[in-house]
Amino acid sequence: DTGVSQDPRHKITKRGQNVTFRCDPISEHNRLYWYRQTLGQGPEFLTYFQNEAQLEKSRLLSDRFSAERPKGSFSTLEIQRTEQGDSAMYLCASSPAVRIGELFFGEGSRLTVL
Amino acid sequence: AQSVAQPEDQVNVAEGNPLTVKCTYSVSGNPYLFWYVQYPNRGLQFLLKYITGDNLVKGSYGFEAEFNKSQTSFHLKKPSALVSDSALYFCAVRDNAGNMLTFGGGTRLMVKP
Repeated sequence: DTGVSQDPRHKITKRGQNVTFRCDPISEHNRLYWYRQTLGQGPEFLTYFQNEAQLEKSRLLSDRFSAERPKGSFSTLEIQRTEQGDSAMYLCASSPAVRIGELFFGEGSRLTVL
Repeated sequence: AQSVAQPEDQVNVAEGNPLTVKCTYSVSGNPYLFWYVQYPNRGLQFLLKYITGDNLVKGSYGFEAEFNKSQTSFHLKKPSALVSDSALYFCAVRDNAGNMLTFGGGTRLMVKP
């Protein structure tokens, strides 16, 4: 169990640029989640995959956000035309189907939009 | 819509004393309830969960939580706090049909020697 890894750990970008984050889940976990966390707040759900299928997406998620999980392995989260309000920690978590609600989180990718 | 409230931003307790971190929830149907902990510069870690059965559930590091349906609460407890318990604690809820965990805003626990 090597844990959930996220890359990059930190990203500083200018407003209007596109950014992409990668998440490598624990290999035997078929469920993958993206959350966003801002300072002083709890994690906010963004989207959920079961294998390669994106099954849930937050209604709060702007069309500028897109996520993929090709082949049901790693996942990417892309933010297009970044805005200062996108500055946050982006968290990835994975979970085996049999352990309801037990998410294994990565350390996150911190985005700063200037 | 499901929601979680953690009414205390911070809880201070002396080492060796019992601790309680409060959580109330709102969800349709039967709740699935969780506690996670976040240590500095570390990812969130699962502590314990309530799905069904006994209202008192035990988890990692000596923590336990009590489910109270009438009060819609799921308070985290530990009989004797350690300085190393100092961290950010998050309560979360999920309904029994969905896959999404909804987290509370977190409570910072400070245990002083």
